[in-house]
Amino acid sequence: DVKVTQSSRYLVKRTGEKVFLECVQDMDHENMFWYRQDPGLGLRLIYFSYDVKMKEKGDIPEGYSVSREKKERFSLILESASTNQTSMYLCASSSVLTGTLLVTEAFFGQGTRLTVV
Amino acid sequence: RKEVEQDPGPFNVPEGATVAFNCTYSNSASQSFFWYRQDCRKEPKLLMSVYSSGNEDGRFTAQLNRASQYISLLIRDSKLSDSATYLCVVNTTPGNQFYFGTGTSLTVIP
Repeated sequence: DVKVTQSSRYLVKRTGEKVFLECVQDMDHENMFWYRQDPGLGLRLIYFSYDVKMKEKGDIPEGYSVSREKKERFSLILESASTNQTSMYLCASSSVLTGTLLVTEAFFGQGTRLTVV
Repeated sequence: RKEVEQDPGPFNVPEGATVAFNCTYSNSASQSFFWYRQDCRKEPKLLMSVYSSGNEDGRFTAQLNRASQYISLLIRDSKLSDSATYLCVVNTTPGNQFYFGTGTSLTVIP
């Protein structure tokens, strides 16, 4: 089974702190994603990466950065945490179906519920 | 216009009922389609992938209509354990992003 593991289930941080959320996948997937999920807004893409050291902005990248130094690890960084970044953060990975342009489904980590106080 | 739109519900149905959810997508270049299930405070988990016109798995049937750009999910003989939020997800290449609907809430009532 594919496993996507996020480093923490729950985090409480103070305003202004630098926050690191780590995500590791064990299936050699090319693509990795960071989302946040808020009530009524669904999942919104923050950043994604389709290869080591590659990153692309999603819909809401402001206030965030990412790092992908190794294929299996994709880190989300909150440069200076603010209360409006209190949310559920979900990491996901996916691959490409061999010989096609189609992608496999996104496999999700268990989520990190971040509270910024 | 949102990439993926779903009726948020809630849908409250009795056990044994058949319920259908619809989802529309805006990008005609979309290639891969999925239905996910998400339980309260948990991560989304794949229910079904839809790469061609449809897919069936037990009580669940997904249909894809490319001409009208919609995907449906049919649940037959609803169980209490089907209570969850169902997310419609579309992937578009190039770009390779997943676009999520906001989810449809289902509660199956005894």
